Amino acid sequence: DARVTQTPRHKVTEMGQEVTMRCQPILGHNTVFWYRQTMMQGLELLAYFRNRAPLDDSGMPKDRFSAEMPDATLATLKIQPSEPRDSAVYFCASGLSRHQGNEQYFGPGTRLTVT
Amino acid sequence: LAKTTQPISMDSYEGQEVNITCSHNNIATNDYITWYQQFPSQGPRFIIQGYKTKVTNEVASLFIPADRKSSTLSLPRVSLSDTAVYYCLVGDVYNTDKLIFGTGTRLQVFP
Repeated sequence: DARVTQTPRHKVTEMGQEVTMRCQPILGHNTVFWYRQTMMQGLELLAYFRNRAPLDDSGMPKDRFSAEMPDATLATLKIQPSEPRDSAVYFCASGLSRHQGNEQYFGPGTRLTVT
Repeated sequence: LAKTTQPISMDSYEGQEVNITCSHNNIATNDYITWYQQFPSQGPRFIIQGYKTKVTNEVASLFIPADRKSSTLSLPRVSLSDTAVYYCLVGDVYNTDKLIFGTGTRLQVFP
């Protein structure tokens, strides 16, 4: 049963520290998405890649967030420096571009707490 | 992307049928209607998708009237494990990769 994996599952850090979240998409999927979920804002799209190329990061605060796909099996989301308002659950999802009704498969999320 | 409107929350009891309606008055010709389910502490999960009339799978049914300006997700005989947030999304899924999630409907199932 293929699944999207994310590490770490939980992260507590102090304001100003760098945070790196990792995602392994489902093998064979060519799109990867990063979402952030908070009680106030709900589920927001931060960035997405197709065939490892970044296509849209308009939802991401550019000054502190960065997203990359070093290879087809790894996507990273980095926050530097982190701030308390970054506390949220960060989800990674993968899918097949414009196929299968654009179904996205979500990972279990990384719960980030910045103190 | 068409805007969707759905109830913020709904309550039900085990064994009942639950119908969640979503309004999407400005749906475009190429748009599909997709529903996702999110359990607490998990990522959303695809439930069902349709374009018109009725779609049924092992989890739910999706009813779409002829004008497509609304849709209804039907969950038969719910159980406690159906307690979740249900999101209605509308978009041209065969020409765009992005999904835009709204606020969803929080369904609480009671014993």
